[in-house]
Amino acid sequence: DADVTQTPRNRITKTGKRIMLECSQTKGHDRMYWYRQDPGLGLRLIYYSFDVKDINKGEISDGYSVSRQAQAKFSLSLESAIPNQTALYFCATSDPGSGSLHFGNGTRLTVT
Amino acid sequence: AQSVTQLGSHVSVSEGALVLLRCNYSSSVPPYLFWYVQYPNQGLQLLLKYTSAATLVKGINGFEAEFKKSETSFHLTKPSAHMSDAAEYFCAVSESNAGNMLTFGGGTRLMVKP
Repeated sequence: DADVTQTPRNRITKTGKRIMLECSQTKGHDRMYWYRQDPGLGLRLIYYSFDVKDINKGEISDGYSVSRQAQAKFSLSLESAIPNQTALYFCATSDPGSGSLHFGNGTRLTVT
Repeated sequence: AQSVTQLGSHVSVSEGALVLLRCNYSSSVPPYLFWYVQYPNQGLQLLLKYTSAATLVKGINGFEAEFKKSETSFHLTKPSAHMSDAAEYFCAVSESNAGNMLTFGGGTRLMVKP
């Protein structure tokens, strides 16, 4: 089983709809992140959480919100989806000692 | 603020040829540097990382990278490309006093010709 699991893997939704992307992890890491990937832009940080009570905005948080339901669960919501939120979304975890991230397999979101 | 520039969004090499993927960074503090690889329909996997120990870092699958402070570079190399190396590669930088806040470059897609 994957250490970082994202659901769904693919989602098509319409403009204005609310959508939630979910992430769960079995690595026991406190730190969790949401990134979006766009061609030519690499990955950009949306939100991050260093523990259950800690939520922080990243580089591109406008239009997104998150919820850290437990150490193992970190969900990303789009309150009112718009077409330029069409992208590949990644959840990641890390432990503070290693400095490196562990990624899920991504959710491909299309907003029509 | 930290940033990463990867020169060349697409690189094509022949099987058996040298692979060179370029990465330049900017950072206000001594950086932590990373290379990640992304295979189709998968998440990113760590290839190697530099954390201020040896300047030549060896990673998985025969890849290595050299930290050159004077050039603010962290280029990724592999002596002999294999077909299975075809993937997208991302360079990333983290400032050592900012936890695990990685900033990624735009990525380089490596194509390997038979």
